[in-house]
Amino acid sequence: AQSVTQLDSQVPVFEEAPVELRCNYSSSVSVYLFWYVQYPNQGLQLLLKYLSGSTLVKGINGFEAEFNKSQTSFHLRKPSVHISDTAEYFCAVSGSMREGAQKLVFGQGTRLTINP
Amino acid sequence: NAGVTQTPKFQVLKTGQSMTLQCAQDMNHEYMSWYRQDPGMGLRLIHYSVGAGITDQGEVPNGYNVSRSTTEDFPLRLLSAAPSQTSVYFCASANHRRGNTEAFFGQGTRLTVV
Repeated sequence: AQSVTQLDSQVPVFEEAPVELRCNYSSSVSVYLFWYVQYPNQGLQLLLKYLSGSTLVKGINGFEAEFNKSQTSFHLRKPSVHISDTAEYFCAVSGSMREGAQKLVFGQGTRLTINP
Repeated sequence: NAGVTQTPKFQVLKTGQSMTLQCAQDMNHEYMSWYRQDPGMGLRLIHYSVGAGITDQGEVPNGYNVSRSTTEDFPLRLLSAAPSQTSVYFCASANHRRGNTEAFFGQGTRLTVV
């Protein structure tokens, strides 16, 4: 079975500073990897996904993530954050490549707070 | 372009009551799922469906029923509500074709059981 660990429950940073949100996963099969963002009182929106190919994945709003198979990690980064990036971020893995995104296993979430 | 629509947005139930959370998608996706979100636990899969007439259990299925009579709709039924079912519920639909896959989420239903 798959599992996902987000290593930080809360990350406070100042505006225009860089940020990294850490995600490690465990799986006995190859999986797809996702980062979702949840703004207050809203649903989840896809930031980016790793399906195959280049291990550096670029997403929306200037975010990117790097897939590291040997370390089973998929950390999310942004070089300069804005107040509007304040949200909760979730890392997720698929059940298997055959199952795709129909069955996602989520991490506990990281609350990113941007201070002026 | 509605995507995934959930109703109601908020609901308060008394212990023992039953209710149905509605979910509809207009993207012709085969796959639909229900998750619950609890603080510090992320989202956990309740039930999912790979097509009309086919459903299966996820990680936390107890106390919930689902059915899928059409591609568009995937209602979640609480048979006898308990305080432990107080949570935010998200419905999702997913595509999975030619090596591409993505899940789309509704806005959520915040349920309180008193």
